[in-house]
Amino acid sequence: KNEVEQSPQNLTAQEGEFITINCSYSVGISALHWLQQHPGGGIVSLFMLSSGKKKHGRLIATINIQEKHSSLHITASHPRDSAVYICAVEFRDTDKLIFGTGTRLQVFP
Amino acid sequence: DVKVTQSSRYLVKRTGEKVFLECVQDMDHENMFWYRQDPGLGLRLIYFSYDVKMKEKGDIPEGYSVSREKKERFSLILESASTNQTSMYLCASSFLGQGSFNQPQHFGDGTRLSIL
Repeated sequence: KNEVEQSPQNLTAQEGEFITINCSYSVGISALHWLQQHPGGGIVSLFMLSSGKKKHGRLIATINIQEKHSSLHITASHPRDSAVYICAVEFRDTDKLIFGTGTRLQVFP
Repeated sequence: DVKVTQSSRYLVKRTGEKVFLECVQDMDHENMFWYRQDPGLGLRLIYFSYDVKMKEKGDIPEGYSVSREKKERFSLILESASTNQTSMYLCASSFLGQGSFNQPQHFGDGTRLSIL
């Protein structure tokens, strides 16, 4: 069964802390997406990756194909990083995109 | 910057009404998608389209239909709205890649639809 699990569901942090959000999936994938959803609903695509590591500003996404696991890291977190972070996986066998239920991050000043 | 525009941010309709949700993108993307988002369930794909007049069912197409008469516009239609279709609806678009979903998707701001 094609499944995507995120952890933690909720995360609070103090400004400046290093944040890690995890995503695990069940079977082989073609691509994994990390998305950010701000209050009010708009979703922004942060990363799409199928191997290795990608970095954009203070955000880093890594994926370990053998372990079927991806992490999203935020360095020097800031209150404006407060959002829901969503992992979505394109499974190779079905050509479908399955979304995790998201991690709600709150960063306090 | 890619712009995906959904016609309404908030919409209130009555049970049994025919409801149209409109989505327009300005980046000449081949793929367009309609999702619904419910608490605790994550986004679920309703329908997607990879070309004009083409459509594919997603995971939860029942009670919905779609129309893509022009490349930039993808409409979601609730044929006879029911209370269980109260949800946040999100439209997205992307370039056509090797698979349907391995290109970054650009999302609209969402339409929060309430069916009374």
